[in-house]
Amino acid sequence: DTGVSQDPRHKITKRGQNVTFRCDPISEHNRLYWYRQTLGQGPEFLTYFQNEAQLEKSRLLSDRFSAERPKGSFSTLEIQRTEQGDSAMYLCASSLSWGQGEQYFGPGTRLTVT
Amino acid sequence: KQEVTQIPAALSVPEGENLVLNCSFTDSAIYNLQWFRQDPGKGLTSLLLIQSSQREQTSGRLNASLDKSSGRSTLYIAASQPGDSATYLCAATGTASKLTFGTGTRLQVTL
Repeated sequence: DTGVSQDPRHKITKRGQNVTFRCDPISEHNRLYWYRQTLGQGPEFLTYFQNEAQLEKSRLLSDRFSAERPKGSFSTLEIQRTEQGDSAMYLCASSLSWGQGEQYFGPGTRLTVT
Repeated sequence: KQEVTQIPAALSVPEGENLVLNCSFTDSAIYNLQWFRQDPGKGLTSLLLIQSSQREQTSGRLNASLDKSSGRSTLYIAASQPGDSATYLCAATGTASKLTFGTGTRLQVTL
């Protein structure tokens, strides 16, 4: 069990560019979550998957954001036409859908939009 | 809509002191409550999870309590150490499993 991994760890992009982040959950976990954290704030929920189905999306997830989990394993989060307000830490977490449902977080991807 | 508040926002204590961090939530219909630690620029490390049917959980020097009826949880840290310096976040899980976080308590333990 290697834990939740995220790639890249840091991304600097210019406004208007598209970016894609990847998350690999703990292998046996069937739920995968994306959160966004800005400086000095707690993480905010964006979306989550159970297996390959996207079950909930936050209002924070504008139409410039899209997330996929095509085979129920890894997930990608894409931001199109980035804006400076998208600068944040993007966190991925995974859990089981039964039992205590404890969520385990990855190290995050720090996005800076210049 | 669930709202989670953490008090204080920041805390500085000398090494060896016992301390309590507070978390309150507005909707008592929670599935569980988790406490996390976050070091600067890093991801979150899960410390303790309390299920809605439980009153407390302990791990080493950490003890977390939950009072659903009053919408409160506390994290007690015994014999604090400089290595405990970090931001501590509590998060409530409602239906649909998403976590609602507080803004955290930034703890500094001084020598």
